[in-house]
Amino acid sequence: AQKITQTQPGMFVQEKEAVTLDCTYDTSDPSYGLFWYKQPSSGEMIFLIYQGSYDQQNATEGRYSLNFQKARKSANLVISASQLGDSAMYFCAMREGSSYKLIFGSGTRLLVRP
Amino acid sequence: GAVVSQHPSRVICKSGTSVKIECRSLDFQATTMFWYRQFPKQSLMLMATSNEGSKATYEQGVEKDKFLINHASLTLSTLTVTSAHPEDSSFYICSAMDPVWNQPQHFGDGTRLSIL
Repeated sequence: AQKITQTQPGMFVQEKEAVTLDCTYDTSDPSYGLFWYKQPSSGEMIFLIYQGSYDQQNATEGRYSLNFQKARKSANLVISASQLGDSAMYFCAMREGSSYKLIFGSGTRLLVRP
Repeated sequence: GAVVSQHPSRVICKSGTSVKIECRSLDFQATTMFWYRQFPKQSLMLMATSNEGSKATYEQGVEKDKFLINHASLTLSTLTVTSAHPEDSSFYICSAMDPVWNQPQHFGDGTRLSIL
């Protein structure tokens, strides 16, 4: 079974609007961490936001927020006020238990329209 | 600024050549580094976990003798693709992290390897 599922291969959003990128995960370990990374066409991986399984509040970092719904095992990324520079691939990833390994989803390609 | 430096950014070489890729952590001591491979339009696939002062831990299906990993210091890990062939052409990217649970992995800029 897939550990991390991103069901949206591609998304469009109008500049200045908000967009939600979906991510669901599967783990039986009560201790885990969820990460979102951005990968522009140049290839580098840029860390955006982190949510721990024991965190009571949803994580926020500037225009990025994470809609963490633990019972549904979802960790959707919300980007507010989209900018043209937000066009990129976005990967959701999970670290579980005592392992430092990251398990990545298949990614969502976001295109911001002017 | 970048906390992980990866070099070179691009390599084009002939089949049979061995290629070394370096990954350096700039701001912290990284006892653990990771090497990933990414095919076009696909996600990152973990190849191996590089441990300072000990042997790397390879993921299932990754050839140890093909992809040699050395992590001789707390700031440097190297991946050597030995006797590279066209099927080894890919995007290779490393990451390093402070060994604290909620810290993210910081990635290098990646290396595009093309074997002719």
